[in-house]
Amino acid sequence: GESVGLHLPTLSVQEGDNSIINCAYSNSASDYFIWYKQESGKGPQFIIDIRSNMDKRQGQRVTVLLNKTVKHLSLQIAATQPGDSAVYFCAENNYGQNFVFGPGTRLSVLP
Amino acid sequence: NAGVTQTPKFQVLKTGQSMTLQCAQDMNHNSMYWYRQDPGMGLRLIYYSASEGTTDKGEVPNGYNVSRLNKREFSLRLESAAPSQTSVYFCASRKPGTGNEKLFFGSGTQLSVL
Repeated sequence: GESVGLHLPTLSVQEGDNSIINCAYSNSASDYFIWYKQESGKGPQFIIDIRSNMDKRQGQRVTVLLNKTVKHLSLQIAATQPGDSAVYFCAENNYGQNFVFGPGTRLSVLP
Repeated sequence: NAGVTQTPKFQVLKTGQSMTLQCAQDMNHNSMYWYRQDPGMGLRLIYYSASEGTTDKGEVPNGYNVSRLNKREFSLRLESAAPSQTSVYFCASRKPGTGNEKLFFGSGTQLSVL
């Protein structure tokens, strides 16, 4: 059968609208979470991070929300711009060396 | 400030050939990592080095070896390349315990094994 991982979820938004990208994480003991942006042909680029003792953290045009009850992380991008088009993925860490990465969501910004 | 530098950017190998991917960071980070990224999948850890002189297996170590040459450099070697190793490889580094735990990534090596 077809692997779900072969096809990234896609989110299409109109330029200027807000974007919300979601991520379900796997380990309830994870204490640190990061959102990365990856443009085509480039390495992942840090966007924002949050620790498990926080519910919300804001950066420049971005906000990360953490819901530990349902193990859910979201990234909100305000006033989405064409330069925001990329793959976004979350990563979780449990006090250790390794991070577990989600498969990502492709964000397309429509003119 | 270059950050994490990987070489080469592209490589094509025939099955059975060997090669070494090079990685260097200039941020004085203790920990370094090698990940592979396959289409539609999350990054998977191959090997990591928590500090100079130590290396440990990650999630998918088979077919790879690593060397932490010094604090700056961490290389990944494919001794006998296989088509299943066709992937994009990323090196990363970080400095745990500083409160700034995020991984910094290089720009990647796109490897094709024919």
